[in-house]
Order: sequence, then structure tokens, then C-alpha cells
Amino acid sequence: QVQLVESGGGVVQPGRSLRLSCAASGYTFSSHGMHWVRQAPGKGLEWVAVVWYDGSSENYADSVKGRFTVSRDNVKNTLYLQMNSLRDEDTAVYYCARRGAGIDAFDLWGQGTLVTVSS
Amino acid sequence: SYELTQPPSVSVSPGQAATITCSGDKLGEKYASWYHQKTGQSPVLVIYQDTKRPSGIPERFSGSNSGNTATLTITGTQAMDEGDYYCQTWDGSATGVFGGGTKLTVL
Repeated sequence: QVQLVESGGGVVQPGRSLRLSCAASGYTFSSHGMHWVRQAPGKGLEWVAVVWYDGSSENYADSVKGRFTVSRDNVKNTLYLQMNSLRDEDTAVYYCARRGAGIDAFDLWGQGTLVTVSS
Repeated sequence: SYELTQPPSVSVSPGQAATITCSGDKLGEKYASWYHQKTGQSPVLVIYQDTKRPSGIPERFSGSNSGNTATLTITGTQAMDEGDYYCQTWDGSATGVFGGGTKLTVL
């Protein structure tokens, strides 16, 4: 079925790195821009990053720019988020989300993966 | 950077209409979307392009967007509609922006 499944979350010390993955299935992955959205405990949704459908371009929230890198493998149907120099404030559930074709909205979300930055 | 503002909470009696607003500078010139998130679950798209409902979303959900305010209306609110609602738009072509969220309580 059509789904997104995140993995790679865990507990990491401040300053260390972590890579998240998001496996897509049931649709043509290479036709959609893909995004990361995070939610700190008890807080609202925060947009993090986007990678174009073909991987040709990316964009980032100011809060992660220069530390996080989004990428994708359209052969493996997988989205990635490389997170470096992690800070306490990066603690959150990280969701991958698909921008629906022609609908200007996130029409498919993963279940989320929890990243905890703590010493 | 672009900002969206929502009321922190809205309360409604079962069967009544609930209205949640989302404000942003010239928001009516952009597309607005709305998401419903229940506790412990991923967000679900309920309205896109201001007024459209995805397949499977009940007709009691409707949206509008004009001037500086987008509005989500739930008519005949049910207990299952409780949770957090987020508005969302785009700053530029691909940078997402979310409102702070509104907690809907069905009393």
C-alpha cells in the first residue's frame, strides 16, 4: 500500500550526528517533492527541509541550515536526513511527508521517528 | 520569514459548528491547507487549496481563505474531531510554514 516508513531515530549526545531514512512504497516516489517536518515534545509542527522530486535542489529552515542535509535515492525509493552538530532543541519526532501532485499540500505522512538529543 | 497565527484552543459542543482561524499577511493570496492530528498520531490532511477535501474526509469539514485569514469550519462536530489542527501554507515555492496549532475540544 501507499506508505512512508521512517527509521534511524534514537538517543544521541549533543554535537553528534544521526541519519534518518524514510522508505516510500506504493507510488512513484520520483514524481514528488519530499519534506521533513518535526514536532518537539508537546509542541507544534515545524517544517525542516525539502528536496525536489529529482534531487536537483534542496531548501532548509533557518534553524537547521548548515547542519542538516536532505537527500534522496530515487532507485531505492528512500529519503534521507543527515543531521550533524545536533543540539538539545533538535529533540523531536521527525516526520517525512509527501507533497501531493498538484495539490500544494502534504497528502501522505510517515509514522514519525523520535530523535532525542541528550547527554 | 512568513508567520501564521492560530488561536491556541477552541471549544465546541457536540453537533455544533467549530471555527478555527489562521492569520497571515495576505494569506488569501496563497493556498492554505489544514491538518488534523490526534494524540500520538501523524497529521492527516483535511483541507487543501483553501477549500478542497481529500478523498475520505467527511463533508462536515470545509475551508475558506480571503484577505489575511483562512478558516476551517467543522459542522456537526463529533467527538472524533477532537485533537490539534494546523494550518499550513508556502513561503516561496517550496518552503513550508505551519501555524502554531489549535486544540479543539468537544465538550
